[in-house]
Amino acid sequence: DAEITQSPRHKITETGRQVTLACHQTWNHNNMFWYRQDLGHGLRLIHYSYGVQDTNKGEVSDGYSVSRSNTEDLPLTLESAASSQTSVYFCASGDRGTDTQYFGPGTRLTVL
Amino acid sequence: GENVGLHLPTLSVQEGDNSIINCAYSNSASDYFIWYKQESGKGPQFIIDIRSNMDKRQGQRVTVLLNKTVKHLSLQIAATQPGDSAVYFCAENGYSGAGSYQLTFGKGTKLSVIP
Repeated sequence: DAEITQSPRHKITETGRQVTLACHQTWNHNNMFWYRQDLGHGLRLIHYSYGVQDTNKGEVSDGYSVSRSNTEDLPLTLESAASSQTSVYFCASGDRGTDTQYFGPGTRLTVL
Repeated sequence: GENVGLHLPTLSVQEGDNSIINCAYSNSASDYFIWYKQESGKGPQFIIDIRSNMDKRQGQRVTVLLNKTVKHLSLQIAATQPGDSAVYFCAENGYSGAGSYQLTFGKGTKLSVIP
C-alpha cells in the first residue's frame, strides 16, 4: 500500500549540530510539506514543495532548509540545531491540484 | 505528538452518545476545509473534507457542517466509541501570497470517550 514514512521517529541532538529528518512517500504526490507541532501553536508550516526542484518557505522557515531531488523524498535539514527547534515534526503530501494533505507519523526532535 | 492534547479544550462524552466538535475559521475567502483526527503519538489522520459550495457532507459515522455566514465548521460523530478518543482539529485553505494557498490548522479539541 502507498504510504508516507518519516525517519528517525525520535532524535536527540546537541545545539549547533546539523540534523536531517527524512520524509518518503510512495503515493507519487507532487506536493510535499513539513510542519512542526508545538503546544499552544498547532501545526505550523516550515517549507513546502510542489514538485521536483521546487521549494518554498513557509511561516516558520528560519533555520531550516529542504531540497527536492525526486518526487518521493523531501528531507528537512536543521543547519545548526537550536533548543527552540525542539518539537514534533510532521511531513505531509498531497496530489497536484488538490488541497488534501496526508500526514506521516512524525519525528520527535529534542535539541539539548 | 504525545503531548498535543494538553491545554486544549476538552469534550467528554459517554460511549454511544453523539459528539459535536466545533471550529471557527478566520478567512472568509477559504473554500476548502478538512477535519483531522490525531491520536497520541501519531500523525494527523484525514477524516472528512468539505468545499464551500456545500453546507453538509456525510461520511461513515461522521458529518461535517459548514456555516459560511458565521465562519463556523462542526464535526459530528455518531455513536461515539472509545476509539474515537483523540484530538480533532480543522484546517482551512487560505491565500498565503504569491499565488499560493496553504492549509491553516486550528489548535484542536480533545475528545475523551467515557466507557
